[in-house]
Amino acid sequence: RKEVEQDPGPFNVPEGATVAFNCTYSNSASQSFFWYRQDCRKEPKLLMSVYSSGNEDGRFTAQLNRASQYISLLIRDSKLSDSATYLCVVSPLANYGGSQGNLIFGKGTKLSVKP
Amino acid sequence: DGGITQSPKYLFRKEGQNVTLSCEQNLNHDAMYWYRQDPGQGLRLIYYSQIVNDFQKGDIAEGYSVSREKKESFPLTVTSAQKNPTAFYLCASRDGLSYNEQFFGPGTRLTVL
Repeated sequence: RKEVEQDPGPFNVPEGATVAFNCTYSNSASQSFFWYRQDCRKEPKLLMSVYSSGNEDGRFTAQLNRASQYISLLIRDSKLSDSATYLCVVSPLANYGGSQGNLIFGKGTKLSVKP
Repeated sequence: DGGITQSPKYLFRKEGQNVTLSCEQNLNHDAMYWYRQDPGQGLRLIYYSQIVNDFQKGDIAEGYSVSREKKESFPLTVTSAQKNPTAFYLCASRDGLSYNEQFFGPGTRLTVL
């Protein structure tokens, strides 16, 4: 099983649609969770951290289910500017292979929002 | 402005040549990282450094070398031993006091001719 798995997409949606991305992770001891956004041929940028209680930032809502080792990202009222690849990112425990603070990246889910 | 810079943005190399990619940060971050990204693939960790004068191999260190002589700088050398060096190389840094986000530089796109 891959460490972080995501549906590669692409997700093609019309403007205004609601779209949900899912992600599963294999290391049950994982400690921190993030969604990064990567535009074509650019560097990844943090979209939001994911907390156990779930968190929302404007049109974006992230959820974490530790029991199922599952993370989600919901985008409401999608805009053309939301078109990008969304990376699910997990940070293992500090003593996991000596890799304190290292991040494990999923391959990303590509979103294309059409007019 | 604080941030991470990588140079050059595009780099072409002949097979058999070593090449060094630059990464500089003025965020006063302790930890720095090098990743490689291939088309349709996730980021894979090459090397990381938690502190000056110390660095560790990541998942795909073969054919690469690094140094961390200054807190601000973490150059990556792609050696001729790297079998498939054409890729997008990303440098990142992180505040060592927490598990907060990694900040990425704009990347260097290396093409071996």
